[in-house]
Amino acid sequence: QLQLQESGPGLVQPSETLSLTCSVSGGSVIYSRHLWGWIRQAPGKGLEWIASLHSTGATYYNPSLKSRVTLSVDTSENRFSLKVRSATAADTAVYYCARAVISDLSTITSGGIIDHFFDQWGQGTLVPVSS
Amino acid sequence: QSVLTQPPSASEAPGQRVTISCSGSSSNIGNNFVSWYQHVPGAAPKLLIYRNDQWASGVSDRFSGSKSGTSASLAIRGLRPEDEADYYCATWDDGLYVFGTGTKVTVL
Repeated sequence: QLQLQESGPGLVQPSETLSLTCSVSGGSVIYSRHLWGWIRQAPGKGLEWIASLHSTGATYYNPSLKSRVTLSVDTSENRFSLKVRSATAADTAVYYCARAVISDLSTITSGGIIDHFFDQWGQGTLVPVSS
Repeated sequence: QSVLTQPPSASEAPGQRVTISCSGSSSNIGNNFVSWYQHVPGAAPKLLIYRNDQWASGVSDRFSGSKSGTSASLAIRGLRPEDEADYYCATWDDGLYVFGTGTKVTVL
């Protein structure tokens, strides 16, 4: 059974970098039909997709966050990470890591019909951004 | 605000049926598969439906999904107290993965 576990600091200071890691057990991050993503939920708000990456290094970002976000994957440690630079109070949220199944990675950029869904999720971690 | 619009709330008595709509456009629902997620506050979101109408592993057939044109729907029949949660539709829109605005389902 695949398990994902988020880890990171309990508190981030405004203007600093928010860093989170998702450790994957019970499965490998190296699989052609999987994307590994981050989703967040700010207090009182809905779910917001942040970004996803493939083990090949291909990355896909929410345009509203792209300038501040970096994803990376460590295949030797079977984990992937998120960095959000210049954090503000608006970045305060519960952050979830998740695995997505995708039938054809090329469809994300080719305009074809995208068959993609997040089938496994971590429990989430609350990251307050506050001084 | 999301490009996928859902009613903010829905409620029904136990045993009844509730339907949640998800309205989009040709650039999202009209051209891609839709998935549905159940989110109980404090827990991890759970995949219910993928590829518009396919049940995720272990999901009760009381849940069903459908899609027509630029709209999708999730129906829950035989409503139970444990179905009380937030429900989100989701799909891709021009390189952006979007979740719907979310619908809070209350079991009366």
